[in-house]
Amino acid sequence: AQTIHQWPVAEIKAVGSPLSLGCTIKGKSSPNLYWYWQATGGTLQQLFYSITVGQVESVVQLNLSASRPKDDQFILSTEKLLLSHSGFYLCAWSPGISNERLFFGHGTKLSVL
Amino acid sequence: GEKVEQHESTLSVREGDSAVINCTYTDTASSYFPWYKQEAGKSLHFVIDIRSNVDRKQSQRLTVLLDKKAKRFSLHITATQPEDSAIYFCAALTNSAGNKLTFGIGTRVLVRP
Repeated sequence: AQTIHQWPVAEIKAVGSPLSLGCTIKGKSSPNLYWYWQATGGTLQQLFYSITVGQVESVVQLNLSASRPKDDQFILSTEKLLLSHSGFYLCAWSPGISNERLFFGHGTKLSVL
Repeated sequence: GEKVEQHESTLSVREGDSAVINCTYTDTASSYFPWYKQEAGKSLHFVIDIRSNVDRKQSQRLTVLLDKKAKRFSLHITATQPEDSAIYFCAALTNSAGNKLTFGIGTRVLVRP
């Protein structure tokens, strides 16, 4: 069975500090991987997606970057956090080549103060 | 790009009654319409989906209807139970936009005893 693990579960960070969020998928080779952001009480916005190692596509510009250093790992980062980065970050994967049914991680709650 | 509008922001129903959530989309190229459920403080999980080659799909107490002419789809929950209380997100997948899944803003469903 496939499992998706996100870390950390929650972060409280200062404005201007760096950030790194991680996501690991086990039990599925070559998954499509996604980062979503959910503002408090808001909808989900797709940030990045990756269909293969080393290849990441940006969907929206939020002063964030993503990388896929291994087949089963997806990293979201920034060197300087903004207040507007606060929210809930969700990693997700989908099988195959189309972005159909998504399987979400438990998410990371980020508070930027 | 695709826009998905979710018409009910909140829905309060009595236990045992039915709940209906309506969504509309703008891009005629959208071909896949999933629904996700988010319980308080938790991540999203998939509940049901429908593809554009059918107009109805049922899974136990859940039914999704799709009207391609009106670019409208809806989730019907029958015999509601307390565990149905959650935020429900509709989404539309547009193959022409790099397989991007666009989410609605979510409908908070509250099932009252």
